[in-house]
Amino acid sequence: ILNVEQSPQSLHVQEGDSTNFTCSFPSSNFYALHWYRWETAKSPEALFVMTLNGDEKKKGRISATLNTKEGYSYLYIKGSQPEDSATYLCALEGVGGFKTIFGAGTRLFVKA
Amino acid sequence: NAGVTQTPKFQVLKTGQSMTLQCAQDMNHEYMSWYRQDPGMGLRLIHYSVGAGITDQGEVPNGYNVSRSTTEDFPLRLLSAAPSQTSVYFCASSYPGQATEAFFGQGTRLTVV
Repeated sequence: ILNVEQSPQSLHVQEGDSTNFTCSFPSSNFYALHWYRWETAKSPEALFVMTLNGDEKKKGRISATLNTKEGYSYLYIKGSQPEDSATYLCALEGVGGFKTIFGAGTRLFVKA
Repeated sequence: NAGVTQTPKFQVLKTGQSMTLQCAQDMNHEYMSWYRQDPGMGLRLIHYSVGAGITDQGEVPNGYNVSRSTTEDFPLRLLSAAPSQTSVYFCASSYPGQATEAFFGQGTRLTVV
């Protein structure tokens, strides 16, 4: 099973700070990379899906990039707000055929 | 549309008891999967299915059985519960191989004592 690593494990920032997290993977043998946002006591919700090397996606203050050649994806949040506090999950779709494998997540805390 | 519905939301079992976690989706998704979520470990894949009659093992399948008799339903069975199976379980569904998002149920918090 392909190992999906996310860093940092947790992150504390002040309101207004910009921040970024990393998802790294040892192989490009997957179909798509997903980012999900997961609030406490809720279910994960999709943010982005990327398939091609160099893909960039943006939604409001949040954006993501994918580099399959070097094995990483970045998620950026510009001007963090308290409502951005959540766990951000990276997932690889199509590992070994049809498996979707998740990383352990980055827990973001934004202090007002 | 109800999306992905999981039942029950909470369950306490004694060691050795059996139970079935139910998962149903009304989006005609071919791909369904079960994950468990433990502190510091994200979501780990237990079993998955790419269509009715087809199931396969994920990362942590031991102690769990699944079946997929219809497109809509994908139950997860614990045959003999163990304290190590205390976790939060999530069911998800999607279209396989199309780079589309997965939709998750609300989760089942299971405690085995």
